[in-house]
Amino acid sequence: GAVVSQHPSWVICKSGTSVKIECRSLDFQATTMFWYRQFPKQSLMLMATSNEGSKATYEQGVEKDKFLINHASLTLSTLTVTSAHPEDSSFYICSAYAGTGTTDTQYFGPGTRLTVL
Amino acid sequence: AQRVTQPEKLLSVFKGAPVELKCNYSYSGSPELFWYVQYSRQRLQLLLRHISRESIKGFTADLNKGETSFHLKKPFAQEEDSAMYYCALSPTGGGNKLTFGTGTQLKVEL
Repeated sequence: GAVVSQHPSWVICKSGTSVKIECRSLDFQATTMFWYRQFPKQSLMLMATSNEGSKATYEQGVEKDKFLINHASLTLSTLTVTSAHPEDSSFYICSAYAGTGTTDTQYFGPGTRLTVL
Repeated sequence: AQRVTQPEKLLSVFKGAPVELKCNYSYSGSPELFWYVQYSRQRLQLLLRHISRESIKGFTADLNKGETSFHLKKPFAQEEDSAMYYCALSPTGGGNKLTFGTGTQLKVEL
């Protein structure tokens, strides 16, 4: 139980285009989802926290107009990288949290590797 | 602001040897501390958390508030323990945002 999926797992796009990444909690309802970014051989950096039905809370230094987050349901959150540029190339990881019983922890997705040409 | 420090990027031990992965933190309140593990080509997963006070896969970690440390220990390393280990801190619990350390790559050699 407590599985989180991400789609796509790998995407290549041209500079200037937008890319949408989906994060789904497959067998539980997630009240909160988190989006992280991980550079090669570095740690995970929290980008934003999203709660179902409300606006995401972005960490300092993260451009909210660049990284659009939508958490429309208790099982789906999306991250859209708008007008992507090569410096946005990274590994993006989501996690989902339910906050009750055995799911009182964050469960992580497998990540999405974004390459912007 | 909270901060998590893992001083070792790489730790190499022989099979059967004891393992200690160091983690120090700074936070003004009473945080919750976690250890996450990432095996090769797999997702990040929770290994243990200090409030559970349990042993997972032979690993234990004790929160030392005086030294602000949460070191991960295992008495006898196994080959399958080779992975990336991240220490993380949350101000109030698992559902709140996590601050991760930079990670330690554990390599268990035969």
